[in-house]
Amino acid sequence: DAKTTQPNSMESNEEEPVHLPCNHSTISGTDYIHWYRQLPSQGPEYVIHGLTSNVNNRMASLAIAEDRKSSTLILHRATLRDAAVYYCILKEVNRDDKIIFGKGTRLHILP
Amino acid sequence: GAVVSQHPSRVICKSGTSVKIECRSLDFQATTMFWYRQFPKQSLMLMATSNEGSKATYEQGVEKDKFLINHASLTLSTLTVTSAHPEDSSFYICSARDRFGLSGNTEAFFGQGTRLTVV
Repeated sequence: DAKTTQPNSMESNEEEPVHLPCNHSTISGTDYIHWYRQLPSQGPEYVIHGLTSNVNNRMASLAIAEDRKSSTLILHRATLRDAAVYYCILKEVNRDDKIIFGKGTRLHILP
Repeated sequence: GAVVSQHPSRVICKSGTSVKIECRSLDFQATTMFWYRQFPKQSLMLMATSNEGSKATYEQGVEKDKFLINHASLTLSTLTVTSAHPEDSSFYICSARDRFGLSGNTEAFFGQGTRLTVV
């Protein structure tokens, strides 16, 4: 999997939007951008993924740069339950399914 | 949504004994499942790929004889930590993807993890 770069940690106030950045300058044309998060003492959970266009779901939005070399996960209104480590991962179509995790971004939510 | 169930969620065992952890996909079939290990404050480290009906593929540095993996059906993979020692204490996590989903464009599902403590 191609490499991604994320800030080690971020802080946000409760009920405010959060923008989590991810750089993936070596992304290939067939790489999907996936985001997972891991709450304390739990397995990771899927958040969102996309290829070229911005994506929205009930959990978050994914904004993908036009050149695809970066993306931003947007939590529209953070709650205390969103405090977790967020992982940005690239997955190539039709390659093996294993996910190699980087260090991710630890998001702290301030009440 | 699809669920991956891991059991047990927590286990304490004596040094020298073996522990089996189960990973089940509850509403989809998975030809491959993955096992990870996570130490406190660290990221997940991939240990091995479990292949249904064939041998597991281990990542470099992971002892095959110590971490036995069996994937006997399309919905069940097991990880057995043999002759466990205190340094094997960790958080073990499995993941799987629906075999009929397009790789890359399909989300992965993770178990809730197993906290192993070897005393």
